[in-house]
Amino acid sequence: QVQLQESGPGLVKPSQTLSLTCTVSGGSLSSGNSFWSWFRQSAGKGLEWLAHIYASGSAMHNPSLKSRVTISVDPPKNQFSLNLSSVTAADTALYFCAKYNLFTRAFDIWGQGTMVTVSS
Amino acid sequence: DIQMTQSPTSLSASVGDRVTITCQASQDISNFLNWYQQKPGKAPKLLIFDASNLETGVPSRFSGSGSGTDFTFTISSLQPEDIATYYCQQNENLPLLTFGPGTTVDIK
Repeated sequence: QVQLQESGPGLVKPSQTLSLTCTVSGGSLSSGNSFWSWFRQSAGKGLEWLAHIYASGSAMHNPSLKSRVTISVDPPKNQFSLNLSSVTAADTALYFCAKYNLFTRAFDIWGQGTMVTVSS
Repeated sequence: DIQMTQSPTSLSASVGDRVTITCQASQDISNFLNWYQQKPGKAPKLLIFDASNLETGVPSRFSGSGSGTDFTFTISSLQPEDIATYYCQQNENLPLLTFGPGTTVDIK
């Protein structure tokens, strides 16, 4: 069974870059029937999609975040990563990585989430 | 962009009650609609995909229906472990996707 685990610093200073990694275990990130995504959820708020990436490196970012978001993939390490630049307090949130199943057309596996606080 | 609305925003029901949540898309999304359950501090869990298909391992008291712009999610007999927030999510225009604002379900 595929599992996802987010990792990264829990505290980031304003104006710096938030960097998170999602490690895939129990299966290959390059399996071909999936793509890989990042989401976040601010306190008491709904789910916000941030970015997707295929194992090939083809990626798509949420336009609302303009050019602050970068997603990358490292197939040999079975990992994909998120960078969010120029962070502010508004970027404080619980960040999730997830697997999109191309057959069921849904996010069927999620990481447990990692809390990131932006504060000086 | 496709906007998703859900109603009600929250509801309170008794154990054993039938619970219904509706989700409406701002344009036709065919059956590209999924339902997720999220408990506080936890990741979302997929319950229903393609509007009406039950994800493997999900109890049969959960069901979904609808197509086009109007969708319904039902818990046939509410259980204490069903206390959570439920989100609909469209992926008709992948790679862009959107979630509904959520419906919080608790026990009366």
